[in-house]
Amino acid sequence: DGGITQSPKYLFRKEGQNVTLSCEQNLNHDAMYWYRQDPGQGLRLIYYSQIVNDFQKGDIAEGYSVSREKKESFPLTVTSAQKNPTAFYLCASNGDGLEHEQFFGPGTRLTVL
Amino acid sequence: AQKITQTQPGMFVQEKEAVTLDCTYDTSDPSYGLFWYKQPSSGEMIFLIYQGSYDQQNATEGRYSLNFQKARKSANLVISASQLGDSAMYFCAMRDLYSGAGSYQLTFGKGTKLSVIP
Repeated sequence: DGGITQSPKYLFRKEGQNVTLSCEQNLNHDAMYWYRQDPGQGLRLIYYSQIVNDFQKGDIAEGYSVSREKKESFPLTVTSAQKNPTAFYLCASNGDGLEHEQFFGPGTRLTVL
Repeated sequence: AQKITQTQPGMFVQEKEAVTLDCTYDTSDPSYGLFWYKQPSSGEMIFLIYQGSYDQQNATEGRYSLNFQKARKSANLVISASQLGDSAMYFCAMRDLYSGAGSYQLTFGKGTKLSVIP
């Protein structure tokens, strides 16, 4: 089945540590996205990538980094510079065509201890 | 810049009744798309329905329909015959269809929490 996988489902981090969230898709989509969701809030865009080896900052990129070395993979690193990283993180991809919806993974819940 | 407003933080509906979730938007783009997503407690975002700004008819998908009023800049989601499984967060989102950068970015509202009462 085609879709997006994210791992781990739950992640705990100590303050000062970097952590990497995995996102893999087998939909053959070029465009991929990372969103952050805080309780009672909508989704805010962290980074996006339209093609391999290229990515752009979204609205809240500070304290995060990404890479896009393969079409299928778009990992997100939450660095120690991110002051309030506890949140729910969603990865998404988009097929060609602006009228196509974004497909989402199941999400990773990150908690800083 | 685009903006989505969902003014209902929470809604209750009796099972088997219809419910309307409000969404208003603001954009200067002449062509845009509107999306609705459902987010159950599990967290995954599920696409429900799409409406293009130039579509002549309101979109429908099964029990979901979109009440699109372009002049009022509203795109309300109507769920008919509510079921217990409809209890979830619902998000309205939009995208510019003339995105020169081709980024396909979506702008989301803050969502409405729908609770279906048996």
